[in-house]
Amino acid sequence: GNSVTQMEGPVTLSEEAFLTINCTYTATGYPSLFWYVQYPGEGLQLLLKATKADDKGSNKGFEATYRKETTSFHLEKGSVQVSDSAVYFCALSGGSNTGFQKLVFGTGTRLLVSP
Amino acid sequence: DTGVSQDPRHKITKRGQNVTFRCDPISEHNRLYWYRQTLGQGPEFLTYFQNEAQLEKSRLLSDRFSAERPKGSFSTLEIQRTEQGDSAMYLCASSLGTGVNQPQHFGDGTRLSIL
Repeated sequence: GNSVTQMEGPVTLSEEAFLTINCTYTATGYPSLFWYVQYPGEGLQLLLKATKADDKGSNKGFEATYRKETTSFHLEKGSVQVSDSAVYFCALSGGSNTGFQKLVFGTGTRLLVSP
Repeated sequence: DTGVSQDPRHKITKRGQNVTFRCDPISEHNRLYWYRQTLGQGPEFLTYFQNEAQLEKSRLLSDRFSAERPKGSFSTLEIQRTEQGDSAMYLCASSLGTGVNQPQHFGDGTRLSIL
């Protein structure tokens, strides 16, 4: 079945550092890929998405590129802020033989940014 | 757009009791999903509705769990004879279902604690 693997956290960075959170996936067909962010005590917010190979999703300075050849969707940001501290989830949906969009999530990566 | 609303935010109950959660999706979103998230893990799919029809249920959804969406708007998730293992965050999401790539929008969840 479909699955998502994320790098384990926490990832601890100083403000203005470069961020990479690795995500790889296993899926049949052509899934859509997502990054969600969860702040303490809140639900998940969609951060960005990509729906086909080589698409780049971007939002709030975060970027991720759908790489089918490496089955990856790594999240990057050039300069993190303290307010970016949260848990980040990589997820996929769709693929072949699916009629609906069950999201399959990775285990999440906690990001801690210090001033 | 008032977002996905879930009620209550927190529920504490004794083992063996029944609990019911409510989810109000974004208006006009015809697809509604329930997920369960345990500490340190990503959300796991429980069930999915398109309008009032429940089209998919995970094997995680034992016979103690039942979900309804009687008029294709709000949904309820009931857990009967709660067990310690039911302690988790229960998340509801909705999407506008015209294709497989529409993003899901999440509520803030209901945190269930079983004493």
